[in-house]
Amino acid sequence: QKEVEQDPGPLSVPEGAIVSLNCTYSNSAFQYFMWYRQYSRKGPELLMYTYSSGNKEDGRFTAQVDKSSKYISLFIRDSQPSDSATYLCAMTDRDDKIIFGKGTRLHILP
Amino acid sequence: KAGVTQTPRYLIKTRGQQVTLSCSPISGHRSVSWYQQTPGQGLQFLFEYFSETQRNKGNFPGRFSGRQFSNSRSEMNVSTLELGDSALYLCASSLGHATNEKLFFGSGTQLSVL
Repeated sequence: QKEVEQDPGPLSVPEGAIVSLNCTYSNSAFQYFMWYRQYSRKGPELLMYTYSSGNKEDGRFTAQVDKSSKYISLFIRDSQPSDSATYLCAMTDRDDKIIFGKGTRLHILP
Repeated sequence: KAGVTQTPRYLIKTRGQQVTLSCSPISGHRSVSWYQQTPGQGLQFLFEYFSETQRNKGNFPGRFSGRQFSNSRSEMNVSTLELGDSALYLCASSLGHATNEKLFFGSGTQLSVL
């Protein structure tokens, strides 16, 4: 079993819809949880960063962590065509290494 | 402020050769970490350098090595290239240790091994 599982998509949704992206993980020692966005031919950029269970909101983005279920989510409200990208979840392990999910390709249809 | 700069942008090599990739971090950043990204395995951590010392290392063979200079610029070297080394190599810089700070990624070096 992979340490971090993420559905590769592609996920296509109409503009204005709420997007839900998810990752599951197997290692209960993971401490910090992050979401990155990666546009084609670019490096990833950090969107959200959290270390505790619960919700964290930043503009149209909400990150949710459920440590008991080993499940994290990213919600995007009022999705825009410019949100079309690959979204990577990431988490740090006990050895301070960052483990990334393989990414979900998201297409927002105008 | 200039972002993270990686050179070259594209590289084509043949099996058995070696390659050196370069990364210039954001001014003032002391940590540089390297990642390999492939469609099959996704983004995988290679190693992190902080103040010229390797702080952490991923599960890659010894053919992959790196170093960091006193100005925080970093190089990554891959010796005896294999076809499976074809990938996008990304570096990221941060003020402090990579796991405690926001990472800023470069656009990567696309390496093709023929």
